[in-house]
Formats: sequence, C-alpha cells, structure tokens
Amino acid sequence: NAGVTQTPKFQVLKTGQSMTLQCAQDMNHEYMSWYRQDPGMGLRLIHYSVGAGITDQGEVPNGYNVSRSTTEDFPLRLLSAAPSQTSVYFCASSYSITANTEAFFGQGTRLTVV
Amino acid sequence: AQTVTQSQPEMSVQEAETVTLSCTYDTSENNYYLFWYKQPPSRQMILVIRQEAYKQQNATENRFSVNFQKAAKSFSLKISDSQLGDTAMYFCAFPSSGGATNKLIFGTGTLLAVQP
Repeated sequence: NAGVTQTPKFQVLKTGQSMTLQCAQDMNHEYMSWYRQDPGMGLRLIHYSVGAGITDQGEVPNGYNVSRSTTEDFPLRLLSAAPSQTSVYFCASSYSITANTEAFFGQGTRLTVV
Repeated sequence: AQTVTQSQPEMSVQEAETVTLSCTYDTSENNYYLFWYKQPPSRQMILVIRQEAYKQQNATENRFSVNFQKAAKSFSLKISDSQLGDTAMYFCAFPSSGGATNKLIFGTGTLLAVQP
C-alpha cells in the first residue's frame, strides 16, 4: 500500500536554484493538495487540485507553481528558491471533496534553502 | 475568515493518565467536519478522529474521544490511558469554505509528551 509518495525526503538548495517536489498517489484520488509546515504556524495550504488539468491557489501560493497532467501526479515547483521557503512540505490526497472523507498525507519533504 | 486556534503549545502527561487538548474555531458554516491529526516524530500525518457538526454525539475512537461544543465552537480531544506512543504533535483541522477536505485549515498544534 504505497498511498501518497513524496520525493525527495530531504533537500538543500541554494538561493535562486529551482527544483520540483514530486508527489504521487496510487489511490485514484481526484483531489490533491500541497501544504507547508513551519514552526508555530501549523500547516498552510499552498495549491490544490480537484482533478487532472485543474489547479487553484491556496493561502500561500507565491513562489510556487503546480500542474496536474495526470490523476496520479501533482508536482510542486520552486522556480527561484528563497530562504523563506525553508519548510517541511506535505502533499495530501482525498477521493472526494466532501468533508466526511479522510485526507491522506505523504511523509513530507524537508527543504532547506541557504 | 475561518480560523482554528490551539492555545496550548505544549503539554505533558504521565503514562496511563488522561489528557485533554483544546481547539476552538470560527466559521459561519452550519454543517461541517472537524478533524484531529497526529504527527509523531516520523513526521507522518495520521488522522486520529473526526466529528460531524450536525451530530450531537461526541465521536470516539478507542482511547480517543472529543468534546464537541457547537455553540461555543470548541472541539477538544481527550486521550485516555495515555501511552508512550501517543507522544506527538496534535493538530486540529477544519475544511475551509465549501467544506472540502482538500482545503484544510490547521491550528498551530499542541506538542504532547507522555512521560513514563
């Protein structure tokens, strides 16, 4: 049971570098999301998707891009990394938009921008 | 704006005892769900329990139960017979407008330490 898989688990970037955080789910879930977790701030929504080809912004979208070309994959792109993007990133998926369904989370990516 | 507030940054409890974690929220929605997630040192987010707002009965999952007070917009988590494996960060979460679980609003978390 793979569930939601995030790669890499750890990453160090230099300011200005770009990278893509990968997220894949094998549960045929339509709904996927990206969150960032910072100390004392809980998790905050970056971007989300309600299906292939459809994405929208969350609470903190600046500096991040997403795309959803398949149901399974939802990559998060940092075009020009900044120290303020140092955080732990979580991808989540759920099979329904209704609130009685559980959101499943990946194990997170710890990103450090120096 | 919808908000979720956890006022206890850290708590400690002795093994086998009971502890209650607090959560308050603000919403204009009438029907919604509330969630408690556990994040152990492994970093994995694990759903502990969920409560549907229109149900007056408090949800229970084994040693975990909630005290849901809709009028007061309060959603506390009670852990009975605490175990060392309960040591974790606990987050209260609430779906943002529209009630969708792919758009959760999280509290700032309570770090629970279970002492032997």
